[in-house]
Amino acid sequence: EIVMTQSPATLSVSPGERATLSCRASQSVSRNLAWYQQKPGQAPRLLIYVASTRANGIPGRFSGSGSGTEFTLTISSLQSEDFAVYYCQQYNTWPPTFGQGTKVEIK
Amino acid sequence: QITLKESGPTLMKPTQTLTLTCTCSGFSLSTSGVGVAWVRQPPGKALEWLALVYWDDLKRYSPSLNNRLTITKDTSKNQVVLTMTNMDPVDTATYYCAYKHVGELCLDYWGQGTLVTVSS
Repeated sequence: EIVMTQSPATLSVSPGERATLSCRASQSVSRNLAWYQQKPGQAPRLLIYVASTRANGIPGRFSGSGSGTEFTLTISSLQSEDFAVYYCQQYNTWPPTFGQGTKVEIK
Repeated sequence: QITLKESGPTLMKPTQTLTLTCTCSGFSLSTSGVGVAWVRQPPGKALEWLALVYWDDLKRYSPSLNNRLTITKDTSKNQVVLTMTNMDPVDTATYYCAYKHVGELCLDYWGQGTLVTVSS
């Protein structure tokens, strides 16, 4: 199965600053890549699919890029509600697999 | 409005069989393109996709758990059921059911999750 590796494990950012999260696939997944946000005690929330398409209701400060094996999630100006864990997920090859997550914490 | 809700036991003993039910609303399990998945998350760990059932009854399983999982749907009740045999303490996790995005194999709507603890 495809292994998804996210970096860094933890990202400390001040409110209003930009956050850049990385996700690498062990083999090409084309653009079949999604990003989720998960807050403590809550289910994940779909942010991005097809690498760069925002899901319904997702603010414009969230953007995704990349293809093949390298992907990035950017949060342009962090708001208080954005501090959470973020997961990438490939769906190019069965089974779909998730990364181990990046925790975005307040600096 | 699409909602999903998981139900089932919260505590299990090793070797028992887990049965979880996902009650869906806001969509029909018989509508073309619809899929419902089960995903789990051990405490403090990452997400793991377990199984998926489509509107046409096509089923897919995680290869690592394939011989332990069964997913079924009951269209009349709009429910999806997951069974997992031979439970072990390492299967302790929050189990989520989720609605597959119509066009992509990602998950648009999630249930609140249910924590299942396996302990003797």
